[in-house]
Amino acid sequence: DAGVTQSPTHLIKTRGQQVTLRCSPKSGHDTVSWYQQALGQGPQFIFQYYEEEERQRGNFPDRFSGHQFPNYSSELNVNALLLGDSALYLCASSPWRAGGMRDTGELFFGEGSRLTVL
Amino acid sequence: GNSVTQMEGPVTLSEEAFLTINCTYTATGYPSLFWYVQYPGEGLQLLLKATKADDKGSNKGFEATYRKETTSFHLEKGSVQVSDSAVYFCALPTDSWGKLQFGAGTQVVVTP
Repeated sequence: DAGVTQSPTHLIKTRGQQVTLRCSPKSGHDTVSWYQQALGQGPQFIFQYYEEEERQRGNFPDRFSGHQFPNYSSELNVNALLLGDSALYLCASSPWRAGGMRDTGELFFGEGSRLTVL
Repeated sequence: GNSVTQMEGPVTLSEEAFLTINCTYTATGYPSLFWYVQYPGEGLQLLLKATKADDKGSNKGFEATYRKETTSFHLEKGSVQVSDSAVYFCALPTDSWGKLQFGAGTQVVVTP
């Protein structure tokens, strides 16, 4: 049973460019959340997708956008990259219909995509 | 809103030493509390959890007790191994939809 998979694992961009990160949730999971983890910090919530819609959003600018596909996979897009966007971007999935966080209290994380902006 | 504060690292220990990582929280009500672990080069994984006051979560020799009187959820292990070297995050939900608030993380380095 594959866990949460993310791609690419590493990438380097320059300021002003755009990036797309991809995530496939764990089998049986229908809810995907994205987190940004800056070096030496804890993960910060970006947004969450369920039923192909953004359910809630953290304190991130509109340059950060996402999408969820019918197969529950998801993309994170960041436009007009800034140096401060350099971070590890983590995708997490959970089975909302099975009770999700309230039943298991567990988010399943991928290994992340490390973005470096030069 | 809900938040957590955990002790700064790095914490460097010798193998078989006792480990404590402090975590305190601020929350409305009594949410579940979690410890996640991030091993080098890997994603986060749930280490243990407690869903109500006085609950003790345990896994892989680690324990943490949900103390509402002191609003704490300290992580402990009696005898650490080199394989326990990782970054440990205390976390709590900010709502019922799965949004987690994480602490800054505590890096633990265990030397042989």
